[in-house]
Amino acid sequence: DADVTQTPRNRITKTGKRIMLECSQTKGHDRMYWYRQDPGLGLRLIYYSFDVKDINKGEISDGYSVSRQAQAKFSLSLESAIPNQTALYFCATSEGETQYFGPGTRLLVL
Amino acid sequence: AQSVTQLDSQVPVFEEAPVELRCNYSSSVSVYLFWYVQYPNQGLQLLLKYLSGSTLVKGINGFEAEFNKSQTSFHLRKPSVHISDTAEYFCAVSRLRASGGYNKLIFGAGTRLAVHP
Repeated sequence: DADVTQTPRNRITKTGKRIMLECSQTKGHDRMYWYRQDPGLGLRLIYYSFDVKDINKGEISDGYSVSRQAQAKFSLSLESAIPNQTALYFCATSEGETQYFGPGTRLLVL
Repeated sequence: AQSVTQLDSQVPVFEEAPVELRCNYSSSVSVYLFWYVQYPNQGLQLLLKYLSGSTLVKGINGFEAEFNKSQTSFHLRKPSVHISDTAEYFCAVSRLRASGGYNKLIFGAGTRLAVHP
């Protein structure tokens, strides 16, 4: 079984809809992250969390919110999706300086 | 602030040829350096990392990278590529972390390696 899982793997939604992307990990890491990947831009950090009581904004947090329900679960929400949030979203965990990534969620906002 | 430049967005190469994917970074402080690989429809997988010590770092799948502090580079190399190496490769940097702090991982834009038969 994968150490970092994301659901759903693919999602199509309409402008204005609220959606949630979920991430679970079995690695036992305290630190978790959400990134988005756009062609030609690499990965950009949306939010990160050091533990269930610690949530921090990344470089592109506008339009997103997160919830750390437990050490193993970190969810990303788009309160009102817009087309420029169409992207590939990755969850990651870390131990020390190394980050471990999930398989990604491909989101299309129409 | 740190930044990462991957000098080639695409690198086509024939099977069994050598390849070098270039990465330069800018930082006023000491850094950690990483290469990640993303195979089609998959997440990112750590290929190798430089934290300290020997400047020549060996990773998985026969890849290696050399940290050059004076040139602020961390180029990735493989002496003989396979079709299965076709993927996107990301260079990333983070600042040496102070105790209890966090320095985010900054990614380059990626280099798409296409290995042809």
